[in-house]
Amino acid sequence: NAGVTQTPKFQVLKTGQSMTLQCAQDMNHNSMYWYRQDPGMGLRLIYYSASEGTTDKGEVPNGYNVSRLNKREFSLRLESAAPSQTSVYFCASSQGLSSGNTIYFGEGSWLTVV
Amino acid sequence: KNQVEQSPQSLIILEGKNCTLQCNYTVSPFSNLRWYKQDTGRGPVSLTIMTFSENTKSNGRYTATLDADTKQSSLHITASQLSDSASYICVVTNTGGGNKLTFGTGTQLKVEL
Repeated sequence: NAGVTQTPKFQVLKTGQSMTLQCAQDMNHNSMYWYRQDPGMGLRLIYYSASEGTTDKGEVPNGYNVSRLNKREFSLRLESAAPSQTSVYFCASSQGLSSGNTIYFGEGSWLTVV
Repeated sequence: KNQVEQSPQSLIILEGKNCTLQCNYTVSPFSNLRWYKQDTGRGPVSLTIMTFSENTKSNGRYTATLDADTKQSSLHITASQLSDSASYICVVTNTGGGNKLTFGTGTQLKVEL
């Protein structure tokens, strides 16, 4: 019962470096999401993919790109990391975008940009 | 502006005691309200999801209530255990513009011996 798996768990980047966060789900879900969680703030949606082959911007997309590689995998890329992108990143998935679907979260990726 | 406010911000209780966490929201139009539990260093895990027509829902020792008229929800934890120590996050979905979720900042609960 892996659910939603994210890698890496921890990463330290220098300003300007690039990196990709990987996410895979084994629940045959159609929809996948990337959120960030910052101290004192609720989770905020970066990007989401309603179904394989589609991606859309969320609330805070600037500085990020995503790829829905296939139905299982949804990656998040930071092209030129900035200190403001220091955060905890969560990948999530659900059966669909219908409001009643449970959203399942991964364990998180702690990213520090120095 | 859609907002979800939770109170208290943090809470310490003794093992075996009950507690109630509060959630007030201004999200409109309302679709559903969810409660998640987030252990330190882990991802959020769903506890309950309630629609407009549901005013109470239980999941083991967790009972959520919803008053859609006053836009308030509560999460009641009965006979608390050490493993209940976590952040509890209230999330409200609105139906305008593609089922957008608005997350509260959570109530940090600590259960002590």
